[in-house]
Amino acid sequence: EPEVTQTPSHQVTQMGQEVILRCVPISNHLYFYWYRQILGQKVEFLVSFYNNEISEKSEIFDDQFSVERPDGSNFTLKIRSTKLEDSAMYFCASRRDSNTEAFFGQGTRLTVV
Amino acid sequence: GIQVEQSPPDLILQEGANSTLRCNFSDSVNNLQWFHQNPWGQLINLFYIPSGTKQNGRLSATTVATERYSLLYISSSQTTDSGVYFCAVVEETSGSRLTFGEGTQLTVNP
Repeated sequence: EPEVTQTPSHQVTQMGQEVILRCVPISNHLYFYWYRQILGQKVEFLVSFYNNEISEKSEIFDDQFSVERPDGSNFTLKIRSTKLEDSAMYFCASRRDSNTEAFFGQGTRLTVV
Repeated sequence: GIQVEQSPPDLILQEGANSTLRCNFSDSVNNLQWFHQNPWGQLINLFYIPSGTKQNGRLSATTVATERYSLLYISSSQTTDSGVYFCAVVEETSGSRLTFGEGTQLTVNP
């Protein structure tokens, strides 16, 4: 069964460093998303991406964050100058079109020290 | 934006018991999903159910979109059902992003 895959599963980084989280969405899906979940809290939307551009973003998704689809399969989230409060689980998700079921990757647990 | 409220926030059951989890939402939706977050943090799809009733083994779900709620039923619970259950919706007038509730933490004891 097709699935969304994320790498790495865990990442520890020094405060101030840049990290890139990677995702391979399901191959025939057109809508891609990043969400995050701070430990013990609910899942929060960050950004959606469709037709090679950002279609929606939350107030969390400021200039520190960027997304890219560098080729036909990968979808990345870059976090510049990481802060302690960026520590969270980051989930990638995809869906075939805007009104269908969304599928989530297994997450990347980011720890900023 | 849309508000999603889940109840109860915490639920402790003995193995074999049945339970009902509720999700209320404040505005019209065109997409509703239930997820189970396992102890490793993975979000497992349970149901895509913008309306109507679906069943999958011991789990079933009902969404009454006109009354803005959804219910998740777990029957004959097992210890492996433990974890957090999230309801998430897409607001009808607001793109395609999912808005999650706070979740119900379910603990099933042997």
